[in-house]
Amino acid sequence: GAVVSQHPSRVICKSGTSVKIECRSLDFQATTMFWYRQFPKQSLMLMATSNEGSKATYEQGVEKDKFLINHASLTLSTLTVTSAHPEDSSFYICSARDYPGYTFGSGTRLTVV
Amino acid sequence: ILNVEQSPQSLHVQEGDSTNFTCSFPSSNFYALHWYRWETAKSPEALFVMTLNGDEKKKGRISATLNTKEGYSYLYIKGSQPEDSATYLCAFSNFGNEKLTFGTGTRLTIIP
Repeated sequence: GAVVSQHPSRVICKSGTSVKIECRSLDFQATTMFWYRQFPKQSLMLMATSNEGSKATYEQGVEKDKFLINHASLTLSTLTVTSAHPEDSSFYICSARDYPGYTFGSGTRLTVV
Repeated sequence: ILNVEQSPQSLHVQEGDSTNFTCSFPSSNFYALHWYRWETAKSPEALFVMTLNGDEKKKGRISATLNTKEGYSYLYIKGSQPEDSATYLCAFSNFGNEKLTFGTGTRLTIIP
């Protein structure tokens, strides 16, 4: 079946640095990619939707300059957390539209120290 | 704001017993209801995509029902096995919108 590979699975970075998270669709073309964030004991919350070759659409309250999304090809989407701060520590996960459902990556646990 | 609620938050079930849990969602402008099974350190695994009121779907020992008029879905597991231990997520989308709104999940632990 369809697989989305997400890397890294865990990352610890210093406050003020940037972190890039990659999601690759391995055996299908991901026209649309969704990026979610999950804080402890909360549900997955959609951050942004990206379509290949166009700018991402961000949900209300998500800073587009802080969370840079690039979807330059049908098999790769990246999320860069710029100038990360401890409050950005969270679990980030991508999913690709794969009709009739969605295929998820395995997530990235980001810790900013 | 769309609210998707799942209950219970967690439960422990003896191996061999059957169990079920609930997902409630807004009934207006409904498009689809998704169930996922999510084990720690793995990708959420799609179980069912349900669109029609009264839909019943089955995958092995797991089945689900859908009531779009009253806004709920049940997930049933028959004869629980240790490998069923996972978090079960439901997610809702409304018509004309590809975005999923997730519940917080039901964390199921099967006791051998």
